[in-house]
Amino acid sequence: EPEVTQTPSHQVTQMGQEVILRCVPISNHLYFYWYRQILGQKVEFLVSFYNNEISEKSEIFDDQFSVERPDGSNFTLKIRSTKLEDSAMYFCASSGVSGYYEQYFGPGTRLTVT
Amino acid sequence: GDSVTQMEGPVTLSEEAFLTINCTYTATGYPSLFWYVQYPGEGLQLLLKATKADDKGSNKGFEATYRKETTSFHLEKGSVQVSDSAVYFCALSDQGQAGTALIFGKGTTLSVSS
Repeated sequence: EPEVTQTPSHQVTQMGQEVILRCVPISNHLYFYWYRQILGQKVEFLVSFYNNEISEKSEIFDDQFSVERPDGSNFTLKIRSTKLEDSAMYFCASSGVSGYYEQYFGPGTRLTVT
Repeated sequence: GDSVTQMEGPVTLSEEAFLTINCTYTATGYPSLFWYVQYPGEGLQLLLKATKADDKGSNKGFEATYRKETTSFHLEKGSVQVSDSAVYFCALSDQGQAGTALIFGKGTTLSVSS
């Protein structure tokens, strides 16, 4: 069964550094998403992406964040200058454009900012 | 804004016990409602969904009914198994369209012992 994959599973970085989280969505999906979950808190929507443009974004997704589809398979989330409060589990998801648009999630990347 | 509240965990049950995980929501329109499950080390998987009032979603013995009058979508299972041990997330989408954010509850951890 096709699945969303994410790398790395765990990333440790120092405050102020840039990180790139990578995702490979399901191959025939056209909508891509990033969510995050700070430990003990809710899963929060960050951004959705379609046709090489941001479709929707939350208040969390400020200028520090950017997304990109650099090739036909990868979807990345870049955090330009990490802060301690960016420590969280980051989930990538993808969905199709027909049917019910169910979002399929990856296993997540745990980002730890020290 | 829209929000989801679900019961705090962890929920600890013996095998074959009855399960209820409460979920209530706040939304301005007529949202679609979901239950997602996360098994250890895996991504979020859609367990069941309901798109309009009085709809009952069901899958793998789990059920939830969309109750507009009580703004609830409680998850139930008649007889849990050890393999049901996981984190369960209630979520809503205020539009049934691709690219729309899912709004999640905090998640409820279920632990089933034999």
